[in-house]
Amino acid sequence: GAGVSQTPSNKVTEKGKYVELRCDPISGHTALYWYRQSLGQGPEFLIYFQGTGAADDSGLPNDRFFAVRPEGSVSTLKIQRTERGDSAVYLCASSLSPSGFNEQFFGPGTRLTVL
Amino acid sequence: GENVEQHPSTLSVQEGDSAVIKCTYSDSASNYFPWYKQELGKGPQLIIDIRSNVGEKKDQRIAVTLNKTAKHFSLHITETQPEDSAVYFCASFLHAGNMLTFGGGTRLMVKP
Repeated sequence: GAGVSQTPSNKVTEKGKYVELRCDPISGHTALYWYRQSLGQGPEFLIYFQGTGAADDSGLPNDRFFAVRPEGSVSTLKIQRTERGDSAVYLCASSLSPSGFNEQFFGPGTRLTVL
Repeated sequence: GENVEQHPSTLSVQEGDSAVIKCTYSDSASNYFPWYKQELGKGPQLIIDIRSNVGEKKDQRIAVTLNKTAKHFSLHITETQPEDSAVYFCASFLHAGNMLTFGGGTRLMVKP
């Protein structure tokens, strides 16, 4: 079946602008994760949803970052007043349930470039 | 919080040789350790994983070992092939945190 999809694949914006990144998880997966991957580094956790609620948002770097998952499926990561340091690949992953033993399936990511 | 260190950062081997990547973790409560392969322009893909109650796991040319006492785990790839060339990430999962903590990655290059 279809894997995790993310749109757009690339996003170029100017400093100070607002952006939205979308994630479509695998159908039936209740857990959804956002990670950020800077060049040459491993992914870093941002936020985790179980169903519609954000169960853990401790990885969000500041209050410019916000994510929603209103119907427990698609999620949107929102970044306000973008800064050059926000440039990175934003990865979304989903798993059948939040148990650590369930594989997290990753999408291809959205490459965000802030000029 | 959990910290995962991964070595080496780059690894070049000749086709047919073995490759070993090592990781250490800091939180003794971590109980699940997956390894991901990431190709250019793609998201990480799980290749093998191990739970904390197991010391070793093998899947064809890939094996993972875990030493809970020393808090380190390793990925072993035998008979490497050019298509094994990619960036490999180790990770640990701490159930209380419900998140994966990744190492910094190893760029593996298999020369034909």
